[in-house]
Amino acid sequence: EAQVTQNPRYLITVTGKKLTVTCSQNMNHEYMSWYRQDPGLGLRQIYYSMNVEVTDKGDVPEGYKVSRKEKRNFPLILESPSPNQTSLYFCASSLGSPLIYEQYFGPGTRLTVT
Amino acid sequence: LAKTTQPISMDSYEGQEVNITCSHNNIATNDYITWYQQFPSQGPRFIIQGYKTKVTNEVASLFIPADRKSSTLSLPRVSLSDTAVYYCLVGGVNNNDMRFGAGTRLTVKP
Repeated sequence: EAQVTQNPRYLITVTGKKLTVTCSQNMNHEYMSWYRQDPGLGLRQIYYSMNVEVTDKGDVPEGYKVSRKEKRNFPLILESPSPNQTSLYFCASSLGSPLIYEQYFGPGTRLTVT
Repeated sequence: LAKTTQPISMDSYEGQEVNITCSHNNIATNDYITWYQQFPSQGPRFIIQGYKTKVTNEVASLFIPADRKSSTLSLPRVSLSDTAVYYCLVGGVNNNDMRFGAGTRLTVKP
């Protein structure tokens, strides 16, 4: 089944403790992206990647890192999480440019930083 | 990425047809118009995409006038399960950044 998977689905952590949220897709998509969604602020893009070893900042990249060493994986790294990073995170992928090709979204990761 | 304007919210009743219009005055020649649907706590789901005139699939229709400065998503005979936020996005092959905006919150009542 074609899908985007994220792990973990739920995570509660403390300020400053490094964490990684994994994202994997099995559709051989070139484009992958991370979003966060907060009440009243909508869905905002954090980082995106057009292909392996190519990443670019979205609207809200501060406090996040990403890497794209393999085509199927696009982990989101929070080196020193803070409470303002408490949010619902989505990973997505598409065959190419997301406004030409359909984006497929993962189930989401709900992160709480205390 | 072309700026889009769509109503913040709409209400409808089960069985009615719902039309959500999106304005995109500065659409570029090579831009496509794409609509996504999002349920609470779920990622957005692609509904439909078009370039001009009319596109129809099993879920919705998309009407695009000749000047392409607006588009209308049409949902036939909505049900309670169509209650969601609907996003209109406009862009092309050179747009790799995504801005979903506030979308239109559709509430379908019994």
